[in-house]
Amino acid sequence: DVKVTQSSRYLVKRTGEKVFLECVQDMDHENMFWYRQDPGLGLRLIYFSYDVKMKEKGDIPEGYSVSREKKERFSLILESASTNQTSMYLCASSLGRSGYQPQHFGDGTRLSIL
Amino acid sequence: AQKVTQAQTEISVVEKEDVTLDCVYETRDTTYYLFWYKQPPSGELVFLIRRNSFDEQNEISGRYSWNFQKSTSSFNFTITASQVVDSAVYFCALPRIQGAQKLVFGQGTRLTINP
Repeated sequence: DVKVTQSSRYLVKRTGEKVFLECVQDMDHENMFWYRQDPGLGLRLIYFSYDVKMKEKGDIPEGYSVSREKKERFSLILESASTNQTSMYLCASSLGRSGYQPQHFGDGTRLSIL
Repeated sequence: AQKVTQAQTEISVVEKEDVTLDCVYETRDTTYYLFWYKQPPSGELVFLIRRNSFDEQNEISGRYSWNFQKSTSSFNFTITASQVVDSAVYFCALPRIQGAQKLVFGQGTRLTINP
């Protein structure tokens, strides 16, 4: 079974802090994703990576950056956390270059910015 | 542009009832894949099914079944004899462009099964 592990289920940080959310997958998947999920707004893609050191902006990249130094790990960075970044963050991974492989998700991180 | 519409925001039924979750999509692609995911209260999205646009046969897996109709651009999901454990948010999704890994998700349908 594919395992996508997010480093924290719950996280509380303060405004202005630099926040790191970590995601690790154990299935040698090429693609990794970061989403945020807010009530009424559904799932929104923040960043996508299709290979080590490669990334693409998603729908809402402002205020975020990512790092993929190793194939199995994809980090989301909030450069200077703000209260409007309080949300549920979901990491996912998928295999290959085509559009028919399903994405596999982690348990999510509920991030609160105070 | 690709679009997925799940018009039912919330559905509430009593245990053992059958329930159908609707998914209507728009795509310019001639071949494509459709997905359903389940998000239980614990938070993780769980992959349920992938369907190729070439294959219009209905799919059944235990109490779950999927009805894909290309003529109406719909990919509906039915739970037969619902159980409390089926309570979750269900998402339908479609690749943003043909062959792409990035998905377009519907807004989700929150299903509550009452005992």
